[in-house]
Amino acid sequence: QQPVQSPQAVILREGEDAVINCSSSKALYSVHWYRQKHGEAPVFLMILLKGGEQKGHEKISASFNEKKQQSSLYLTASQLSYSGTYFCGTSWQGADGLTFGKGTHLIIQP
Amino acid sequence: KAGVTQTPRYLIKTRGQQVTLSCSPISGHRSVSWYQQTPGQGLQFLFEYFSETQRNKGNFPGRFSGRQFSNSRSEMNVSTLELGDSALYLCASSLAGSFSEQYFGPGTRLTVT
Repeated sequence: QQPVQSPQAVILREGEDAVINCSSSKALYSVHWYRQKHGEAPVFLMILLKGGEQKGHEKISASFNEKKQQSSLYLTASQLSYSGTYFCGTSWQGADGLTFGKGTHLIIQP
Repeated sequence: KAGVTQTPRYLIKTRGQQVTLSCSPISGHRSVSWYQQTPGQGLQFLFEYFSETQRNKGNFPGRFSGRQFSNSRSEMNVSTLELGDSALYLCASSLAGSFSEQYFGPGTRLTVT
């Protein structure tokens, strides 16, 4: 079951905050976040395991809500370099591999 | 440390032909996973190899196959190509497997005409 990401696209000014959500209909074991810039390979951001933990990476952090089967990625005081497409990949007990959402396109304008 | 390399970077094939793509993982990584990326479906998992054994397989037809060599290099083969196989094929290497941090290669852009 492919996770649903929202919003599909968002345009922000530099310095503004963004939240990207990733929801699943299955009981999640882990959520993986990647960012892909146009014409480049996806780059790993972080992994969150079942347990509702929150992780941080510079000004980018994420949470995992086990009750809602949802993860949220938070980008605070966004920078131009944050532009790109953000993908969440999900796994559940017995999954064969990661199932990725269709991505959220983030555009940061000066 | 050299990153993940994929060859060729671009490929144009005709429907019905077969194709082989190659991926060299980061030195020391024993896991290689393959993904298909298309605008409509996004990133879809094909399969994962770990120490020359297929560990996981996604929901793709048997025309898609792969293998991994003793030096961890991996190849992916698609037989009887269809127009819908046109996509960016990405491989990713990791130390512990596809459920851990993965490092993606630049991809091979396959166009089927």
